[in-house]
Amino acid sequence: KAGVTQTPRYLIKTRGQQVTLSCSPISGHRSVSWYQQTPGQGLQFLFEYFSETQRNKGNFPGRFSGRQFSNSRSEMNVSTLELGDSALYLCASSLGRSETQYFGPGTRLLVL
Amino acid sequence: AQSVTQLGSHVSVSEGALVLLRCNYSSSVPPYLFWYVQYPNQGLQLLLKYTSAATLVKGINGFEAEFKKSETSFHLTKPSAHMSDAAEYFCAVNYNNAGNMLTFGGGTRLMVKP
Repeated sequence: KAGVTQTPRYLIKTRGQQVTLSCSPISGHRSVSWYQQTPGQGLQFLFEYFSETQRNKGNFPGRFSGRQFSNSRSEMNVSTLELGDSALYLCASSLGRSETQYFGPGTRLLVL
Repeated sequence: AQSVTQLGSHVSVSEGALVLLRCNYSSSVPPYLFWYVQYPNQGLQLLLKYTSAATLVKGINGFEAEFKKSETSFHLTKPSAHMSDAAEYFCAVNYNNAGNMLTFGGGTRLMVKP
């Protein structure tokens, strides 16, 4: 079975731009979660989607948003990029509630 | 607020020595507990998880962890370190059993000396 895939793997943007990251979960997994990893703040939860509905949201500004499609694929969007948004963005999928999460390789975003 | 603490941001051991990585959580109700490993430029790989069954949990690559409710701890151990164990290790808890929100510790970078 293929693992979690994330595209693109690397991205360079400038301040003020917006960006969309994509995540394809493991086949059959209905839950997708997003995390931000930075050297200063560590790993922080962004949001979780289950069956196209946002189930949980972390403490991030409204510039961070996401969605999930009927095939469980998910996208996250960051608008009006700031330098501090430079990070590794990790996506994780799981079968359902309180199930083990399996992580993708991440998308490394650099904001200049 | 719920939190996860990993004591020691860096741990160095010799090849063949015992590995002990510490994790403490704050909760009156035992959460689901996980250990993940991250190699450079990669995502997180699950080592093991505790979900209220056996308190001693065995994982991949010879790692195991013991859940101690009285100490609110979930320390990770491996009897004999291998060079390939050098990586960053994260303890994580799921306090919200209705969802999949993980709270992570700050991570411990394990270095293995030859």
